[in-house]
Amino acid sequence: AQKITQTQPGMFVQEKEAVTLDCTYDTSDPSYGLFWYKQPSSGEMIFLIYQGSYDQQNATEGRYSLNFQKARKSANLVISASQLGDSAMYFCAMREEYTGNQFYFGTGTSLTVIP
Amino acid sequence: EPEVTQTPSHQVTQMGQEVILRCVPISNHLYFYWYRQILGQKVEFLVSFYNNEISEKSEIFDDQFSVERPDGSNFTLKIRSTKLEDSAMYFCASTVGGEQFFGPGTRLTVL
Repeated sequence: AQKITQTQPGMFVQEKEAVTLDCTYDTSDPSYGLFWYKQPSSGEMIFLIYQGSYDQQNATEGRYSLNFQKARKSANLVISASQLGDSAMYFCAMREEYTGNQFYFGTGTSLTVIP
Repeated sequence: EPEVTQTPSHQVTQMGQEVILRCVPISNHLYFYWYRQILGQKVEFLVSFYNNEISEKSEIFDDQFSVERPDGSNFTLKIRSTKLEDSAMYFCASTVGGEQFFGPGTRLTVL
């Protein structure tokens, strides 16, 4: 089974609107971390946001928030007030902290912001 | 702001040659990683390194690969005998707490 599943290969959003990028994960490790990264066309990986499995509150970083639903094993990224510069690939990732210090990445979602 | 750096940004090599990719992680970080991303595909974990030894490695990280932290600042990935399928972007990353930061990557092209 895939550790990280991103079911949206491509998404479009109107500038200034909010968009949700889906991510589900699969782990039996009680302690894990969830990450979102942005990869623009230039290729670098930009860390956006982190959620620990024991965190009680959803993580937020500026316009980014992580909708963490532990029972459903989902960690969706919400980008509010989309900007043209948000157009990029977005990757969800997970680190299992008891079974090894290995990261698992999803296949990514390509987001296009329309002016 | 501290950042992870990688050199070179692009390396072209002949099949069968050895390559060494270099990374300088963020200085107070404790865990270091190498990933690769074949063009158009997802990021794949290769290896993690903690306390001067390999912490975890994936099935991709076979005997052709090795990592070192030779001088306390640099973190290197060596590929002993490159194959065509090693052509990819290689990312170094370092972590402290819950944040993992990537370097800009080295694009390796094997001819």
